[in-house]
Amino acid sequence: RKEVEQDPGPFNVPEGATVAFNCTYSNSASQSFFWYRQDCRKEPKLLMSVYSSGNEDGRFTAQLNRASQYISLLIRDSKLSDSATYLCVVNLVFTGGFKTIFGAGTRLFVKA
Amino acid sequence: SAVISQKPSRDICQRGTSLTIQCQVDSQVTMMFWYRQQPGQSLTLIATANQGSEATYESGFVIDKFPISRPNLTFSTLTVSNMSPEDSSIYLCSVESRGGYYGYTFGSGTRLTVV
Repeated sequence: RKEVEQDPGPFNVPEGATVAFNCTYSNSASQSFFWYRQDCRKEPKLLMSVYSSGNEDGRFTAQLNRASQYISLLIRDSKLSDSATYLCVVNLVFTGGFKTIFGAGTRLFVKA
Repeated sequence: SAVISQKPSRDICQRGTSLTIQCQVDSQVTMMFWYRQQPGQSLTLIATANQGSEATYESGFVIDKFPISRPNLTFSTLTVSNMSPEDSSIYLCSVESRGGYYGYTFGSGTRLTVV
């Protein structure tokens, strides 16, 4: 089982749609969580951190469920510019260090 | 967050040769990270580079193949040695944002094609 798993998609949605991505992680010691966005042929860029209480940034809402070990990203009112790959990222912190694990990403295409 | 300048942005290299990738950060950072992203795949950590000590390599990556330099707190290089077509990939450097709790900032990547 992969340490971080995402539905690879692609998700094809019309403009204005609401789309949700899920990500599961296998290590219960995971401590911090992020969603990154990666445009084609570009580097990943931090979209938002994910907090236990859930957090919202404009049209984007991230949630964490520690009991079920999954995080989600909800995009409301999709724009063409939201088309990208969304990477789920998990930080494991352990004695002596930490480890960052990237999911393989979920591709989103928003169409007019 | 830090700004990273990575170069070259792309290169096409002959097999058997080596390529050195550079990353310059606009602020001092303790750790720099080197990743590889193969087509259609996610990021895989190659090594962590600390200033003043040898880099720490992840399983499957060795110093002879991917030597790393970290001469100061703002600069690092990764060399891909004795390249083969299997090394064709995107190579990215990154640094932590505020101790890692705010994620990472990445360089713009180096797209390497080995022919």
